Amino acid sequence: AQSVAQPEDQVNVAEGNPLTVKCTYSVSGNPYLFWYVQYPNRGLQFLLKYITGDNLVKGSYGFEAEFNKSQTSFHLKKPSALVSDSALYFCAVREEEYGNKLVFGAGTILRVKS
Amino acid sequence: SQTIHQWPATLVQPVGSPLSLECTVEGTSNPNLYWYRQAAGRGLQLLFYSIGIDQISSEVPQNLSASRPQDRQFILSSKKLLLSDSGFYLCAWVPRDRVHEQYFGPGTRLTVT
Repeated sequence: AQSVAQPEDQVNVAEGNPLTVKCTYSVSGNPYLFWYVQYPNRGLQFLLKYITGDNLVKGSYGFEAEFNKSQTSFHLKKPSALVSDSALYFCAVREEEYGNKLVFGAGTILRVKS
Repeated sequence: SQTIHQWPATLVQPVGSPLSLECTVEGTSNPNLYWYRQAAGRGLQLLFYSIGIDQISSEVPQNLSASRPQDRQFILSSKKLLLSDSGFYLCAWVPRDRVHEQYFGPGTRLTVT
């Protein structure tokens, strides 16, 4: 079965500084990886995906993620954090069994302080 | 445009009462549909998915059931709620032309008292 791990429960960063939210994966076959963001009491918003191709994937709101096959990682990054980026971030991998469901990590709370 | 709706947004129900949560998708046809539950504000667990009308698969056995009476309608139900059914319920869909992307509805906050 596919799985992802988000090793950090919370990440704190100052506004204007670069941010990284970590994700590692364990899959059989080619990984289909995703990042979602969730604001309080809201649904999840799709940020970006990696299917194939360039290892650096660009997504919404200035976020990008780097796929690293040798380290089985898919870290989310942003060059300059905004206070409005504060939210809960989920890494996910697609499981082709069970109707292409998404298997989510536990989530990482990102807090950006001004 | 394609949108997904869920209602109600919030619900408080006593233990033992029935439940019906509705999810509808607009602007598409024959989507894959999913119900997830998010407990304690963190991890998400897939409950049900559907690839078509009356085609429902359950990920885990539980007190809940799902139905898809129409192509773009997905309903989550229970005959008798348990305290452990409390959580944030999210519906999601996958468009047929973008099978690598899954989009989520706004969610329903269910509190069982």
